Amino acid sequence: AQSVTQLGSHVSVSEGALVLLRCNYSSSVPPYLFWYVQYPNQGLQLLLKYTTGATLVKGINGFEAEFKKSETSFHLTKPSAHMSDAAEYFCAVRATSGGSYIPTFGRGTSLIVHP
Amino acid sequence: KAGVTQTPRYLIKTRGQQVTLSCSPISGHRSVSWYQQTPGQGLQFLFEYFSETQRNKGNFPGRFSGRQFSNSRSEMNVSTLELGDSALYLCASSSTGDSYNSPLHFGNGTRLTVT
Repeated sequence: AQSVTQLGSHVSVSEGALVLLRCNYSSSVPPYLFWYVQYPNQGLQLLLKYTTGATLVKGINGFEAEFKKSETSFHLTKPSAHMSDAAEYFCAVRATSGGSYIPTFGRGTSLIVHP
Repeated sequence: KAGVTQTPRYLIKTRGQQVTLSCSPISGHRSVSWYQQTPGQGLQFLFEYFSETQRNKGNFPGRFSGRQFSNSRSEMNVSTLELGDSALYLCASSSTGDSYNSPLHFGNGTRLTVT
């Protein structure tokens, strides 16, 4: 079984400040990890993904995430927030289990950016 | 390349009725999955189709069903609608059905309201 926990349903930052959105996962096998962003009235859009290899993953719009196996974490960061970053962010995990998979999403974190 | 297209965008139905939602995946994508998104439960996996076969199913009652056609287009049907079925229904396609690291490409969803 696998699960995802996103700490904080809302995160508020000032424009130009560091963005940190937390994600912890649970998986009995090596997982594939994803961050998605959802803007109002739209579907989800892939920000970045971790499969294997380099643990620091760079995505679109200046976001990056680091896979830390020892901490079972995959936190999303951006050095400087922009007003356009205000959206809902979802962490997701996929892992093979008996030959089938079901993607599991966190509950989401709403990023609020103040001018 | 055109993205994932879902129709209709909005639907209002009455309890007890049934509804069919449609999803056209990105050209060349053979895997289509469906999700229900609500404020209370977040994003929940409904089912996934690959080459016209249902490969995975989430924990939803039998009132929720789907199918996939030979051109990879997919439909989802909900019978005997309940108030709790009000949600945003998202469809996603991916390019490689056998690879768990393939990201999901989401449509903008169908907002279903049951009155």
